[in-house]
Amino acid sequence: EAGVVQSPRYKIIEKKQPVAFWCNPISGHNTLYWYRQNLGQGPELLIRYENEEAVDDSQLPKDRFSAERLKGVDSTLKIQPAELGDSAVYLCASSPKSGSPYEQYFGPGTRLTVT
Amino acid sequence: AQSVTQLGSHVSVSEGALVLLRCNYSSSVPPYLFWYVQYPNQGLQLLLKYTTGATLVKGINGFEAEFKKSETSFHLTKPSAHMSDAAEYFCAVNTLGGSQGNLIFGKGTKLSVKP
Repeated sequence: EAGVVQSPRYKIIEKKQPVAFWCNPISGHNTLYWYRQNLGQGPELLIRYENEEAVDDSQLPKDRFSAERLKGVDSTLKIQPAELGDSAVYLCASSPKSGSPYEQYFGPGTRLTVT
Repeated sequence: AQSVTQLGSHVSVSEGALVLLRCNYSSSVPPYLFWYVQYPNQGLQLLLKYTTGATLVKGINGFEAEFKKSETSFHLTKPSAHMSDAAEYFCAVNTLGGSQGNLIFGKGTKLSVKP
């Protein structure tokens, strides 16, 4: 079974530039999460999708961050414009609808560096 | 509000020695508790979980954890450390009861294993 796929793995951009991250969850997983992990910290939830619907985006900085999950499968997280403080690892995770919803399967993450 | 405290950002043990990583939680609802492991440049992988029932839970790679409600703790142990256990470990708690809500992660404990 293929795991959660994320791309790119690494991204370096200058501040004020836009950037986008892509995530393909495990097949059949209805729930998709985007997390931000700052250096030396645990992951912090940005947004959670149930199928196509964003059911929790309370921690998403909506002035510069946006996300979408078209057709309830792949998802894209965008930052525009990026700031120095956005440098972090952005993790995508998915979990199945049935069974334990907290058994989240994580992708390898995208390491963003803003210069 | 739910929270997780991991005591010790860095723990170092000798190969073959006992591993003990500490986690205390705060929760206003019956907690679901998790330990995840993160190897360098990889996403998080579920080690074990406690939802209901038996308070001593066993996970992968010989790890286990015990839920102690009176102490609000969920410490992770392994009788004998192996070099391959070197990684960062995150404790997490659910934000709402049952299958609702999201996970709150601790700041992580980096485990080093000396030969």
